[in-house]
Amino acid sequence: GAVVSQHPSRVICKSGTSVKIECRSLDFQATTMFWYRQFPKQSLMLMATSNEGSKATYEQGVEKDKFLINHASLTLSTLTVTSAHPEDSSFYICSASGAGGGRGEKLFFGSGTQLSVL
Amino acid sequence: AQKITQTQPGMFVQEKEAVTLDCTYDTSDPSYGLFWYKQPSSGEMIFLIYQGSYDQQNATEGRYSLNFQKARKSANLVISASQLGDSAMYFCAMRELRYSSASKIIFGSGTRLSIRP
Repeated sequence: GAVVSQHPSRVICKSGTSVKIECRSLDFQATTMFWYRQFPKQSLMLMATSNEGSKATYEQGVEKDKFLINHASLTLSTLTVTSAHPEDSSFYICSASGAGGGRGEKLFFGSGTQLSVL
Repeated sequence: AQKITQTQPGMFVQEKEAVTLDCTYDTSDPSYGLFWYKQPSSGEMIFLIYQGSYDQQNATEGRYSLNFQKARKSANLVISASQLGDSAMYFCAMRELRYSSASKIIFGSGTRLSIRP
């Protein structure tokens, strides 16, 4: 099956610093990548959708200046949490979708990043 | 607007028994896909099964089957012969397919399944 690699798996940072999370599709070209946020014991909430070479589309209530998304290539998308604060502490997980065809339109997920802001 | 509802926050099942996890959905898009994902305590999202809105037969993947009732807008997951390793959080999800791969997947609130030995 398709593999999506997400790094780092865990990061602890001081308040005010920026943190970059990488999401890579290893064996397929991901035309679209999605970034989700998950609080403990809750569901995945979509933050934004990024398409290769264009600006990300953010969900309502998500600050685009706080959560910078770059999708510069068909295999890499990054999420940067700028000036992180304790309330940004959460589990962030990316997913990737190819151009369709034979995969049932399903998403492949990275293993997630647990961000803890002190 | 698309919506996914899981009404069972938690379930306990005896090992080797079958279990059904409920999921209902709402969408105005005639073309959509329904998914079930498993999330163990490690956090990774494991794809289990997929059902397309135009698929004639219910999807099956090993011990997993999807009871798709289109008129009722339900897509329940059935796990046969449950195992201790099935203990996890289970999410039902939906993707509207009208706009192909750019369309987002939304998730239900999840059901925590616990298997008793």
